[in-house]
Amino acid sequence: DTGVSQNPRHKITKRGQNVTFRCDPISEHNRLYWYRQTLGQGPEFLTYFQNEAQLEKSRLLSDRFSAERPKGSFSTLEIQRTEQGDSAMYLCASRSSWRGGDTGELFFGEGSRLTVL
Amino acid sequence: KQEVTQIPAALSVPEGENLVLNCSFTDSAIYNLQWFRQDPGKGLTSLLLIQSSQREQTSGRLNASLDKSSGRSTLYIAASQPGDSATYLCAVTTGANSKLTFGKGITLSVRP
Repeated sequence: DTGVSQNPRHKITKRGQNVTFRCDPISEHNRLYWYRQTLGQGPEFLTYFQNEAQLEKSRLLSDRFSAERPKGSFSTLEIQRTEQGDSAMYLCASRSSWRGGDTGELFFGEGSRLTVL
Repeated sequence: KQEVTQIPAALSVPEGENLVLNCSFTDSAIYNLQWFRQDPGKGLTSLLLIQSSQREQTSGRLNASLDKSSGRSTLYIAASQPGDSATYLCAVTTGANSKLTFGKGITLSVRP
């Protein structure tokens, strides 16, 4: 088990381009979360999945953002028509919610840093 | 709306000092509280998790306490080392969905 894996680690793009980030959670973790962190701030919740179902989305997640978890394993976060304000670290986290094995603890990946020029 | 505050934003101490990092939250109806460490440009490493029914948790030189009624938690670091230099974030969940609300973090610098 290598923990939560995120790719790419760094992405530089021009304004208006689309970008996609991938997150592979800890195996058998059925809950997956996306957060966004800007410089000097704590992470802010974007959305989360239980298995393949997207259960909650923050109002921070504008129409240009879409997240999927098609088979309940890895997840992708796509940003369309990127803007300079999208520049941030995008963090993925996972946890298990199975009874008897759940402490509620979230485990984070190394993040994907986006720079929009 | 839950708000988490960590003050001061930055702290510098000499090596070997024992120190306390503070965290406060506005809604005491929390599910749990987590302390994280973040190195520059890196992700978050979970340090300690305290369930709402617990008062404290310990791991090595770290001890975290929780006072739900007053909306406060502290992270105690014993015998600080330069390798402890990082940003320490406090986060709470107010539901079983584990959606975390974070503070802005305290950037700690331990001087050799």
